[in-house]
Amino acid sequence: AQKITQTQPGMFVQEKEAVTLDCTYDTSDQSYGLFWYKQPSSGEMIFLIYQGSYDEQNATEGRYSLNFQKARKSANLVISASQLGDSAMYFCAMREPYTGRRALTFGSGTRLQVQP
Amino acid sequence: EAQVTQNPRYLITVTGKKLTVTCSQNMNHEYMSWYRQDPGLGLRQIYYSMNVEVTDKGDVPEGYKVSRKEKRNFPLILESPSPNQTSLYFCASRREATGVTGELFFGEGSRLTVL
Repeated sequence: AQKITQTQPGMFVQEKEAVTLDCTYDTSDQSYGLFWYKQPSSGEMIFLIYQGSYDEQNATEGRYSLNFQKARKSANLVISASQLGDSAMYFCAMREPYTGRRALTFGSGTRLQVQP
Repeated sequence: EAQVTQNPRYLITVTGKKLTVTCSQNMNHEYMSWYRQDPGLGLRQIYYSMNVEVTDKGDVPEGYKVSRKEKRNFPLILESPSPNQTSLYFCASRREATGVTGELFFGEGSRLTVL
């Protein structure tokens, strides 16, 4: 079963508008971490934001916020006031503590294109 | 500057010609890992290492080898590359003590093409 599901292969947004990138996850652990990474066309992976499963507040980092709905197992990334430089691939990822590999499990990604 | 350095960044090779992709981190991280990225599949873990001389398989280890003789280095070895190993490869590291919270620090990626 998919651990991380990103249902939007591609998204378009107008510059200066807000956009939500969807992410749902599947875990039976009570303690886990959720991450979002950005991958611009140059290829590097840039960490954006983190949400812990016990965090009561939604995480925010500048123009990025994470809409965390634990009961629904969703961790959507919200980008406010989109900029042209936000055009990139975005990956949602999860860490579970007891997998043994302590790996990040990634979704398949959403390609965001910001239009002027 | 804290970083994970991979080399080479780009490589075109032929089937069967052994190659090594090097990875080095300067953050004294215990945990290191290799991922491959393929379109539509996201990133999948190949191998990981919890510390020196401790390595284990990830989700897609077939055709790869690793070693961890020093804390800072974690090379990925393709003994006999095949075209299905054409991919974008990432090395990553993090502090082991951070539990679920610690972010992974990624290298810039190595794009490998096997003809």
